[in-house]
Amino acid sequence: KAGVTQTPRYLIKTRGQQVTLSCSPISGHRSVSWYQQTPGQGLQFLFEYFSETQRNKGNFPGRFSGRQFSNSRSEMNVSTLELGDSALYLCASSRARDEKLFFGSGTQLSVL
Amino acid sequence: GIQVEQSPPDLILQEGANSTLRCNFSDSVNNLQWFHQNPWGQLINLFYIPSGTKQNGRLSATTVATERYSLLYISSSQTTDSGVYFCAVFPAGNAGNMLTFGGGTRLMVKP
Repeated sequence: KAGVTQTPRYLIKTRGQQVTLSCSPISGHRSVSWYQQTPGQGLQFLFEYFSETQRNKGNFPGRFSGRQFSNSRSEMNVSTLELGDSALYLCASSRARDEKLFFGSGTQLSVL
Repeated sequence: GIQVEQSPPDLILQEGANSTLRCNFSDSVNNLQWFHQNPWGQLINLFYIPSGTKQNGRLSATTVATERYSLLYISSSQTTDSGVYFCAVFPAGNAGNMLTFGGGTRLMVKP
């Protein structure tokens, strides 16, 4: 069974641009959540989707948004990029909510 | 919100040594998981353990929910065990995967 797949693996953007990251969960997993990892703040929760609905959202500005499709694939979008948005963005999936999480390899975003 | 503290922050071991990593949390939890982040950034789920004890090869974990802590034991450490170990929790009374992570324990195993 394939694991959680995130694309792209690396991204370089400039301030003010927007970016879309993609996540394909493990087959049969319906819950997808996103996390941001930085050296200063560690791992922080962004949002969780289940059955195409956002169930929880972390303490991030409205520039961070996401969605989930009927096949459980998810995308997250960051608009008007800032230097501080440089981070490793990790996607995780689980069969249902409150179950064991499986992470993808992440997307390393650099904002110049 | 819930606070998660891990200790020690850094640990250096000689190959073959044993170690214990600790995770303290400030409130009751539904959900506690241990992860290993390898040098390439991949987070591997080691245990889903809101309470009790589990073992997986050289690794075992114990969560004492009433006392709000969890321990991860690594026996006969190997160089491939190097990386960062994270504990993550979700408060009781809620549903979902909105995990709060601890700051991690960075482990280096020397040959």
